[in-house]
Amino acid sequence: AQRVTQPEKLLSVFKGAPVELKCNYSYSGSPELFWYVQYSRQRLQLLLRHISRESIKGFTADLNKGETSFHLKKPFAQEEDSAMYYCALSGGGADGLTFGKGTHLIIQP
Amino acid sequence: GAVVSQHPSWVICKSGTSVKIECRSLDFQATTMFWYRQFPKQSLMLMATSNEGSKATYEQGVEKDKFLINHASLTLSTLTVTSAHPEDSSFYICSVGPDTQYFGPGTRLTVL
Repeated sequence: AQRVTQPEKLLSVFKGAPVELKCNYSYSGSPELFWYVQYSRQRLQLLLRHISRESIKGFTADLNKGETSFHLKKPFAQEEDSAMYYCALSGGGADGLTFGKGTHLIIQP
Repeated sequence: GAVVSQHPSWVICKSGTSVKIECRSLDFQATTMFWYRQFPKQSLMLMATSNEGSKATYEQGVEKDKFLINHASLTLSTLTVTSAHPEDSSFYICSVGPDTQYFGPGTRLTVL
């Protein structure tokens, strides 16, 4: 069965510090990995998709198939990065998403 | 990305009644739509995949007779919660796909 694990329920860092949100997955095959962000009282928004390999709002994520990880990183956190972050997996095409439990990121001033 | 709306944003109903939730893709012809459920302080769980013009595919453990899904057009999918009970109270969220999914704002259902 496919599974996404986000080990940190809450992560608090100071503004300007580096941020790493961990995501590990279990999937037999080649999954597509995503990071979604949910700001307070807003809908889920796509942040990153592993196959596009782009940087959004300074965030990057690299798919490590050996470690089955897709950690989200940003070198210098900003206060507006405070939000709920979800890692998600899909088998591709018309497959639905399997979500991790989410990490609440708080950036302290 | 695609713009997705849901209606209503919040609904309260009595136990035993049925509630219909609409999901609209405003600027994208969605052959595939998805329905998720989110309990308080928990993550999203996929309920079903809705394909335009065909029957929905439900995830294991989701009662297809209780959660009726209709995807009659490329811009509209509906989820009807039949004979709702308090344990059905949850946040229901739709998304449009396939491939990258874009999410609606969600509908909060409270069953009294």
